[in-house]
Amino acid sequence: EAGVAQSPRYKIIEKRQSVAFWCNPISGHATLYWYQQILGQGPKLLIQFQNNGVVDDSQLPKDRFSAERLKGVDSTLKIQPAKLEDSAVYLCASSSWLARGGNEQFFGPGTRLTVL
Amino acid sequence: DQQVKQNSPSLSVQEGRISILNCDYTNSMFDYFLWYKKYPAEGPTFLISISSIKDKNEDGRFTVFLNKSAKHLSLHIVPSQPGDSAVYFCAASEESYKYIFGTGTRLKVLA
Repeated sequence: EAGVAQSPRYKIIEKRQSVAFWCNPISGHATLYWYQQILGQGPKLLIQFQNNGVVDDSQLPKDRFSAERLKGVDSTLKIQPAKLEDSAVYLCASSSWLARGGNEQFFGPGTRLTVL
Repeated sequence: DQQVKQNSPSLSVQEGRISILNCDYTNSMFDYFLWYKKYPAEGPTFLISISSIKDKNEDGRFTVFLNKSAKHLSLHIVPSQPGDSAVYFCAASEESYKYIFGTGTRLKVLA
């Protein structure tokens, strides 16, 4: 079974530039998550999709971050414009249903973003 | 306000000995807890979970203990192996399905 795919793996941009990350979840997984992991911290949920609908985006900085999940499969996360504090690893995860009762989330390798 | 805390950023253990990783939480509404392991340049991988209706869950060398009155959980690895060297995150959730992660503990198992 193929895992969660993310690209690019690394990205370096200057502040005020735009950047986009792509995620392809495990086939058949209805729930998709984007997390931000700042160095020395645990992953923080940015947005959660169930199929192509948003379940939770309460911690997404909507003035600069946006995300979509086309046709309930692939997803993109965009930052426009980027700030220095956006430097982090962006993790995508998927699960076969709303992760509850120990139903695990499968994580991709992440995209390491450096904003200069 | 950090709802899930892992107060030990790092831990070193000799191979074959027990590793004990600790996690504290503040939200008494949390009713499900998970442990994830993370190797460098990889995403976290699920290790073991426990529901609040239990106080212990075991899977091979890994055991998670939950003390609800103390709002504390711990992960025991016995015996520890060099391949267990990684960063371990605990995570907690309540009915909202959203998981809150701790800051992680880096475990180093010495051969």
